[in-house]
Amino acid sequence: KAGVTQTPRYLIKTRGQQVTLSCSPISGHRSVSWYQQTPGQGLQFLFEYFSETQRNKGNFPGRFSGRQFSNSRSEMNVSTLELGDSALYLCASTSTLDTDTQYFGPGTRLTVL
Amino acid sequence: GESVGLHLPTLSVQEGDNSIINCAYSNSASDYFIWYKQESGKGPQFIIDIRSNMDKRQGQRVTVLLNKTVKHLSLQIAATQPGDSAVYFCAEGANSKLTFGKGITLSVRP
Repeated sequence: KAGVTQTPRYLIKTRGQQVTLSCSPISGHRSVSWYQQTPGQGLQFLFEYFSETQRNKGNFPGRFSGRQFSNSRSEMNVSTLELGDSALYLCASTSTLDTDTQYFGPGTRLTVL
Repeated sequence: GESVGLHLPTLSVQEGDNSIINCAYSNSASDYFIWYKQESGKGPQFIIDIRSNMDKRQGQRVTVLLNKTVKHLSLQIAATQPGDSAVYFCAEGANSKLTFGKGITLSVRP
C-alpha cells in the first residue's frame, strides 16, 4: 500500500505570494492532518480534516487554510507569505480503524525569500 | 536533507549499547502517546505507541514506558544500530490531535 504523498517536495516563494500544497493520504484513510515543522518551534499542529470537514484547528493565523476533497486528498493554502512561514510542511493521514496513529508524508520544504 | 535537529539536545551512544530517550509531557488528559523517528529528508516515522491505561509496551527492539504520575515517557532501544541515528519525537494525543515534544537527536558511534 502506498504511503502518504506530498507535492511539491520543494518550493521557493517570495513574501506576499500565496502557496498551495497538496497531500494524498494512504488509500482508505479519511483523516488528514497538517503540521508545520521549524527548527525553533518543532512540529506544530495546523489543522485536521475528516470527511471534507475541518475537525480540529491549531493556533495559526487565518492566512493558513485548508480543505479536503471527497477522495480524501487535502490541500493547504498559505496566503500573503511571510519570511517566518519558511518551514517543512508535513501531512499525516489516519485510518478510521486506528484513529490514534498518524502516518506522515515526506513533507514539502517551503522557503520564503 | 532536512535540517530538523539544529537546536535539539543530542544523545550519543555506542553501537550495540541500549539507548534510553526521555520525554516529559504536559497534558494529564492525553490518552495516547506515540514515539516517532525522523531521518534527514523524511517525514516522521511511527515507532511505537502506548495508551494511557498501560505503563509498558514492547515492540521489536523498542520498549515504551509511561509514568503518568510524573507525566514522563521513555523510549528504550535495545542493541542500538547505526540505522537508529535520527531525531526522535514523543507525541501526546487527545481527541485526534497530537502535540509533539521538541525532539532529541540520537547519534550512534561506531
